[in-house]
Amino acid sequence: AQSVTQPDIHITVSEGASLELRCNYSYGATPYLFWYVQSPGQGLQLLLKYFSGDTLVQGIKGFEAEFKRSQSSFNLRKPSVHWSDAAEYFCAVGAERYNNNDMRFGAGTRLTVKP
Amino acid sequence: KAGVTQTPRYLIKTRGQQVTLSCSPISGHRSVSWYQQTPGQGLQFLFEYFSETQRNKGNFPGRFSGRQFSNSRSEMNVSTLELGDSALYLCASSSYPWEQETQYFGPGTRLLVL
Repeated sequence: AQSVTQPDIHITVSEGASLELRCNYSYGATPYLFWYVQSPGQGLQLLLKYFSGDTLVQGIKGFEAEFKRSQSSFNLRKPSVHWSDAAEYFCAVGAERYNNNDMRFGAGTRLTVKP
Repeated sequence: KAGVTQTPRYLIKTRGQQVTLSCSPISGHRSVSWYQQTPGQGLQFLFEYFSETQRNKGNFPGRFSGRQFSNSRSEMNVSTLELGDSALYLCASSSYPWEQETQYFGPGTRLLVL
């Protein structure tokens, strides 16, 4: 079964600094990969997703992620963090299409932004 | 377009009771998925419905059940509540099953079991 690991439970960055959130997955076939953000008391919002094609994916709010099959990683990046980016970020992996569509989420990375 | 609506937003129940949560998807969306979020287990997939049919079910006991109506609204039911069922229950909708379309999440129903 697929699994997702987010090694960093909590990250603190200064406003304006660059950000990279790590995500590693385990799955035998080509995974379907997602990054979601959750603000306190809110549901999840999709930042970006990778199904196939270009391995560098652009998302909303200036985020991007790169799929690296050799490293089984799908790290999320942003060149300059804004205070409003403080939230919890979840990486998720989906199973192969039309077969056991079970989404698995990482444990999440809480981002704190220092002024 | 209105977003995904979940009712109620907060709920307090006692052990042994049952509870029904409701999810109204975005207009035109036919796929609804349910997730449970707890501090200990994180986000876990419960089940997915498309056009009134359950497509997939996560690894949860039979006390957790759901259904979808012809208007795509969905309900999930938990019978014989246990303390460990305290969680945020999230509903997500999409036009078609999630692997084809982006899922949009509701704000969740926070359930506390005493």
